[in-house]
Amino acid sequence: NAGVTQTPKFRILKIGQSMTLQCAQDMNHNYMYWYRQDPGMGLKLIYYSVGAGITDKGEVPNGYNVSRSTTEDFPLRLELAAPSQTSVYFCASTPSGMGGELFFGEGSRLTVL
Amino acid sequence: RKEVEQDPGPFNVPEGATVAFNCTYSNSASQSFFWYRQDCRKEPKLLMSVYSSGNEDGRFTAQLNRASQYISLLIRDSKLSDSATYLCAGFGSARQLTFGSGTQLTVLP
Repeated sequence: NAGVTQTPKFRILKIGQSMTLQCAQDMNHNYMYWYRQDPGMGLKLIYYSVGAGITDKGEVPNGYNVSRSTTEDFPLRLELAAPSQTSVYFCASTPSGMGGELFFGEGSRLTVL
Repeated sequence: RKEVEQDPGPFNVPEGATVAFNCTYSNSASQSFFWYRQDCRKEPKLLMSVYSSGNEDGRFTAQLNRASQYISLLIRDSKLSDSATYLCAGFGSARQLTFGSGTQLTVLP
C-alpha cells in the first residue's frame, strides 16, 4: 500500500529556477492538498483540489501553481524559486472534504539558495 | 487572529505525568477537529478525532468545547515515546483543514 507518494524527497534550487514537486495517491481520494511547513511552525495550505480538474487557492498560494488532470496526481509547480520558498512541502489526501483523516506523504525538503 | 492557535511549549514532563494541551479556534463554523502527532522530520499522522461528546483512546482524551471555542488533548501516564509535536486542526466551511503551529512535548526519563 503506497498511500501518498511525494518526489523528490530533497532538492536544492538556485534562485530563479523552477521545478515541480510530484504527488501521487493510490487510494482514489477526491481531495488533495499541498501544505508547506517552515521550521518550528505549523502547516500552511498552499493549494487544494476537490477532484480532477478542480483546484483552489489556500492561505499562501503566491509563487506556486497546481494542476489536477487525474484523481491520482496533484503536482505543485514552483516558478522562479525564491529563498522564502525554502521549506518542507507535504502533500495530503482524504476521501471526503469534511471530517476525514488526512493521509500525508513523507514530505519534500526544498532549499533555495 | 489566527484560525487555530496553540501554545507552542515546549512542555517538558517526567515519565508518568499527566499533561494537557489546549487549542483555540476562531471560526465558529468549523465542523470537525483533530489532533495530529508529528515526530521530528516526519509527516503528521492522525492521533485522534475530537467529538462534542469527547473521545478517549487509551491514555489519550480529546475534548471539544464549542461555547468557548477550544479543543483539548489530555495525555495520562506519559511515556518517552509520546515525545513529539502535537498539532490541532479544524475543518472550516471552505473544506480546508487549518492547522495550529503545534505544541512540542518532551517526556523526560
